[in-house]
Amino acid sequence: GAVVSQHPSRVICKSGTSVKIECRSLDFQATTMFWYRQFPKQSLMLMATSNEGSKATYEQGVEKDKFLINHASLTLSTLTVTSAHPEDSSFYICSARDSYSSYEQYFGPGTRLTVT
Amino acid sequence: LAKTTQPISMDSYEGQEVNITCSHNNIATNDYITWYQQFPSQGPRFIIQGYKTKVTNEVASLFIPADRKSSTLSLPRVSLSDTAVYYCLVGDEAPNNDMRFGAGTRLTVKP
Repeated sequence: GAVVSQHPSRVICKSGTSVKIECRSLDFQATTMFWYRQFPKQSLMLMATSNEGSKATYEQGVEKDKFLINHASLTLSTLTVTSAHPEDSSFYICSARDSYSSYEQYFGPGTRLTVT
Repeated sequence: LAKTTQPISMDSYEGQEVNITCSHNNIATNDYITWYQQFPSQGPRFIIQGYKTKVTNEVASLFIPADRKSSTLSLPRVSLSDTAVYYCLVGDEAPNNDMRFGAGTRLTVKP
């Protein structure tokens, strides 16, 4: 089946630094990818929709200058958390929609970000 | 997008059948219903998807009544490893149609 990978799986960074998380669709093309954030014991919260070759669409309340999204190819989207703070510590999950079967959505394994 | 409502939690015992119902009163004509399973610190895993009536695969069945305002995920003979959070989502085939998660149902299977 379709596979979505994320890298790194976990990262620890110091407050004020930036962290980049990669999301790749390994065996299919994804025009659209989604980024979610999940805090402990809570549901996934959609942060933004990433479209290949165009600007991302951010959900209300999500700072686009803080969470930079780049979707430069049909198999790669990146999320950069800029000037990270401890409150940004969370589980970040991406998902990708198969361009040829658009209602099928595949999720990555997630990235655990800890900001100290 | 149609909003979904599920029970917050459910308990069951090994070997029992578990049915989790999801309400989606505002489901649109083009919307599909998809169920995901999530274990702690992992991404959601696809379980089953349907549009109407009944769908069955190797792990679950999905029952959708004629009005499609609800759906029921049925897990036959659950085991301890089925302890997880289960989410139902509704959405259409539009490429940029985002999938927004509700609160989900936390299923606990006891020995």
